[in-house]
Amino acid sequence: DSGVTQTPKHLITATGQRVTLRCSPRSGDLSVYWYQQSLDQGLQFLIQYYNGEERAKGNILERFSAQQFPDLHSELNLSSLELGDSALYFCASSESIRDTEAFFGQGTRLTVV
Amino acid sequence: AQTVTQSQPEMSVQEAETVTLSCTYDTSENNYYLFWYKQPPSRQMILVIRQEAYKQQNATENRFSVNFQKAAKSFSLKISDSQLGDTAMYFCAFMLANFGNEKLTFGTGTRLTIIP
Repeated sequence: DSGVTQTPKHLITATGQRVTLRCSPRSGDLSVYWYQQSLDQGLQFLIQYYNGEERAKGNILERFSAQQFPDLHSELNLSSLELGDSALYFCASSESIRDTEAFFGQGTRLTVV
Repeated sequence: AQTVTQSQPEMSVQEAETVTLSCTYDTSENNYYLFWYKQPPSRQMILVIRQEAYKQQNATENRFSVNFQKAAKSFSLKISDSQLGDTAMYFCAFMLANFGNEKLTFGTGTRLTIIP
């Protein structure tokens, strides 16, 4: 158990809908990352938050947004969903910006039908 | 931009044998970190081993070791005495050491199967 909790584990929704994925980082970790893993692909970096503020953005679609709350949990919002958004979405956390070891949650499997 | 390439989509090896997974990367930076992550069927991403680019000595963690060739931009993972529990996807990943660039860039992975 990495200490990073992601909910829900599985999500099935229809095209055009909006979903929210939730991540609780390890206790004390200030940095949260979101990654997308499409079928048989490596992980693609989406976005990073540090202590409530957006720190870095990757190839995140405009239909996607995220935030980190004062209690440090983070949410990834995906809207106007398309079939191609079906993927495994991972959250990872690390203690600080300079910590090179990121701990990953078990991911949320999103299926868009 | 940094890229990571894993040219072996799938590999298999007999239990107790040694296997080497390949990874090459491209960067113009001098300070960075390299990682191997394991993703078993449970989907959990597990850090296997980490290498700092400024260190010439290759990292080792029990049965796992790396061959880091900085000039060649190569970072292979050797698994000795392979076990059934080593069956998983293995991802090579890169991170710049520069402040403000803490994201991981991953390769597409190698699916490793250990045969009993």
